[in-house]
This record gives sequence, C-alpha cells and structure tokens, in this order.
Amino acid sequence: KAGVTQTPRYLIKTRGQQVTLSCSPISGHRSVSWYQQTPGQGLQFLFEYFSETQRNKGNFPGRFSGRQFSNSRSEMNVSTLELGDSALYLCASSWTGGQPWNEQFFGPGTRLTVL
Amino acid sequence: KQEVTQIPAALSVPEGENLVLNCSFTDSAIYNLQWFRQDPGKGLTSLLLIQSSQREQTSGRLNASLDKSSGRSTLYIAASQPGDSATYLCAAPAGNMLTFGGGTRLMVKP
Repeated sequence: KAGVTQTPRYLIKTRGQQVTLSCSPISGHRSVSWYQQTPGQGLQFLFEYFSETQRNKGNFPGRFSGRQFSNSRSEMNVSTLELGDSALYLCASSWTGGQPWNEQFFGPGTRLTVL
Repeated sequence: KQEVTQIPAALSVPEGENLVLNCSFTDSAIYNLQWFRQDPGKGLTSLLLIQSSQREQTSGRLNASLDKSSGRSTLYIAASQPGDSATYLCAAPAGNMLTFGGGTRLMVKP
C-alpha cells in the first residue's frame, strides 16, 4: 500500500501571497489531519477532515483553511502569508472506522519558506 | 486540555546501551498512545501504538509501556545503534486530534 503523499515537498513564497498544499491519504483512509511544525512551537494541530467535513479545528487564524474531496484527498490553503508561517506542514491519515481513534500515518511533509 | 511532556529533551549515548525515553500526559482518559520517530527535516514514522487496554507493545528492539493511572508511557530501546539517532515523539489523542510532546532528540555515538 502506498503511504501518505504530500505535494509539493518544498515551497518558497513571499509575504502576502497565498499557498495551497495537497495531501493524499493511504487508500481506504477517510480521515485527514493537518499539523504545523516549527522549532519554537513544536507540532500543532490545524484541522481534521472526515468524509469531506471538518470535524475539529485548532487554534489558528482564519487565514488557514482546508477542504477534503470525495476521494479523501485534502488540501490546505494559507492566505496572506506571514514570515511566521514558515514551517513544515504535515498531513496524517487514519481509518477511523468504528473506534474513536486509530493509528495515525504521516506524510513526508511540505517545507514552506516565506520570504 | 491534554498536555504531553517528554523527558529528557536530548540524550546522547554510546552505541549498545539500553535506554528509556519518558512521556507523561495529563488526561488519563485516552484510547491509546502513539510513539513516532522523526529524522531531521522528514515526516513522522509511526513506531508503536498502545491501546488503552494494553500495558505493553513490542516491535523488534522497541518496547513501549502505558500506565494510564499514572499518566505515563515509556519507550525502551534495546542495544541502541547509530541508526536509532533521531527525535522520538509521543502523542496522546484529545478528541479528534493528537497532542504531541516536545520530543526527545537521541544521538547514538559509534
């Protein structure tokens, strides 16, 4: 089975621009979560989607948004980029069938640099 | 609100040593706890998932234990190797999300 894939792997943007990151979960997985990782804050939860619905959202400004498609692929968008948005963005997928929480599998991440 | 702490933050050991990484969490009403490994600039690799009904889980040289009553989990690495050098993270579920500890950065010297 293929793992979680994220594209692009690296991005360089300038302040004020917007960016869209993509995540394809493991086949059969219906839940996709997004996390931001920075040296100062560690790993922080952004949001989680299940069956095209956002089920939970972390404490991030409205500039961060996401969506999930019918094939479970997910995108996250960051508008009006700030220098502080420079981070590794990680996507995780899980099955979440039956039990409230299943094992999470992470992708390789997208390294976003904002200049 | 779930809070997860990992001690120590960094650890340097000679090759061959057995070592223990610690993880503590504040909300013991968890379904499971997951341990991950992260190499520099890379994503997270799932190492072990311990269900709340289990006390231990083993994979090769790795053994993880979970004590919900005390809010603690430990990751035991036997006969450490230079290839084990990485950051190890534990994560506890809180609702539909994972709360991560700050990680333990492990260096195994040849």
